[in-house]
Amino acid sequence: EVQLVESGGGLVQPGGSLRLSCAGSGFNFGDYAMHWVRQPPGKGLEWVSGISWSGTSIAHADSVKGRLTVSRDNSRSSLYLQMNSLRSEDTAVYYCARAPSWSENWFDTWGQGTLVTVSS
Amino acid sequence: NFMLTQPHSLSESPGETVIIACTRSSGRIAANYVQWCQQRPGSSPTTLIYENNRRPSGVPDRFSGSIDSSSNSASLTISGLKTEDEADYYCQSYENGHQVFGGGTKLTVL
Repeated sequence: EVQLVESGGGLVQPGGSLRLSCAGSGFNFGDYAMHWVRQPPGKGLEWVSGISWSGTSIAHADSVKGRLTVSRDNSRSSLYLQMNSLRSEDTAVYYCARAPSWSENWFDTWGQGTLVTVSS
Repeated sequence: NFMLTQPHSLSESPGETVIIACTRSSGRIAANYVQWCQQRPGSSPTTLIYENNRRPSGVPDRFSGSIDSSSNSASLTISGLKTEDEADYYCQSYENGHQVFGGGTKLTVL
């Protein structure tokens, strides 16, 4: 079964850091592009960042550029989101999502999400 | 970047057909494929339609997608509505490697 499992969420103070992980299983992780999508409580979906299978192509939303950084380790079948200088507006459920390739801009598998709360 | 605008909410009766529109603010709707996701309460999103009108395996053919260049919009049509279709629906497209989601439409089936 194809599965994505996020972890690493929690409560962090404004200005703090957090690292999210997404573990893939049931498929060859290195064959797919991966993305992070977030959803603030009671609000809609917002794309955060994406990375190609090799890591050579990366994109971040303007709202997170310079603070949130995506990376991956195909040998561990894992996707990461390093979150620095966190703000209250970063509070959200963070989903990882799989895309067939960097040029195919749709998500064929989503994780269950991990909640990040930025508050003092 | 462009924006995608959806109606905030819609309601329809079981068995009926509903159409959810998604209007692109700038640039041609046909320039980049449009996708549609469904998110039931308390669940993760799932993709219903990709590349304007293609369904992933397992998605019923009650769900269909289209684009209309004259109105610069995309549409998700759900026919034979069921109570289980009550959910939030999001359109999504992209430009230069950046993904853009619509604000979402809350569909009530009553």
